[in-house]
Amino acid sequence: DQQVKQNSPSLSVQEGRISILNCDYTNSMFDYFLWYKKYPAEGPTFLISISSIKDKNEDGRFTVFLNKSAKHLSLHIVPSQPGDSAVYFCAASGYGNKLVFGAGTILRVKS
Amino acid sequence: NAGVMQNPRHLVRRRGQEARLRCSPMKGHSHVYWYRQLPEEGLKFMVYLQKENIIDESGMPKERFSAEFPKEGPSILRIQQVVRGDSAAYFCASSPRAITEAFFGQGTRLTVV
Repeated sequence: DQQVKQNSPSLSVQEGRISILNCDYTNSMFDYFLWYKKYPAEGPTFLISISSIKDKNEDGRFTVFLNKSAKHLSLHIVPSQPGDSAVYFCAASGYGNKLVFGAGTILRVKS
Repeated sequence: NAGVMQNPRHLVRRRGQEARLRCSPMKGHSHVYWYRQLPEEGLKFMVYLQKENIIDESGMPKERFSAEFPKEGPSILRIQQVVRGDSAAYFCASSPRAITEAFFGQGTRLTVV
C-alpha cells in the first residue's frame, strides 16, 4: 500500500531554470510533510517541511506547496544548480507517527 | 553537536550469520527510526522506537529481525541468520520529539555473501 507516491522516477532540468518535483499522498491523516535530498552512499538530508495548516513554506531557493484537497505537494527549486542533482524523497507523517517515504525522484541539473 | 552516528558503515556477513547495526542518535533525541533501502528502491520504514519502547514495528519482517533502544547506549538493529535478500542499506534517523523532522545517519551497507 503506497501511501506516498512520487510518480516521476527522474527529472532533467537546465541550470538556472526551475525544478518542480511532485508528490501525492492517499492518507488523509497525514499532517506533516517533508522533503529530503539524498546523494549516493550518503544518508538523506532534510531540506524543508510543511505542516497541514499551511499551504506554502519557503527557504531560500526551496519552496514547498501543499494542496490538501488534492492531497498533493510539490517542491520548487529556483534557480536550479548542478549541485542540486540528487535523489529527492517526499515524506509524510500523521499523529507523530513514523515518516512514510515516496520512492524518490532523481533530479539531474545540466550545466 | 554530532549528527546521527551509524556503525559500521559497511558490513559483510555470510549467509546464516548475525548482523548487528548500531545507531547513536543526536544528542537530546529520544526518537529513533530504522529504514531499509533495497537496491533501486525507496526508503522503507522498519521500526520506530523511543527509549526502551517500541512504538511501531509494522515494517519489521516477522522473523529474524529485532530492534532495541535501551536506556543507555545506542539503538541496535539485529538480523539473525542473514540471507542474501537482506543485503541493503540500513538507515537510522532520530528526532527530538514526534511530529518533527528526523535526521539521518550515513547508513550501514550490509552485504550478505
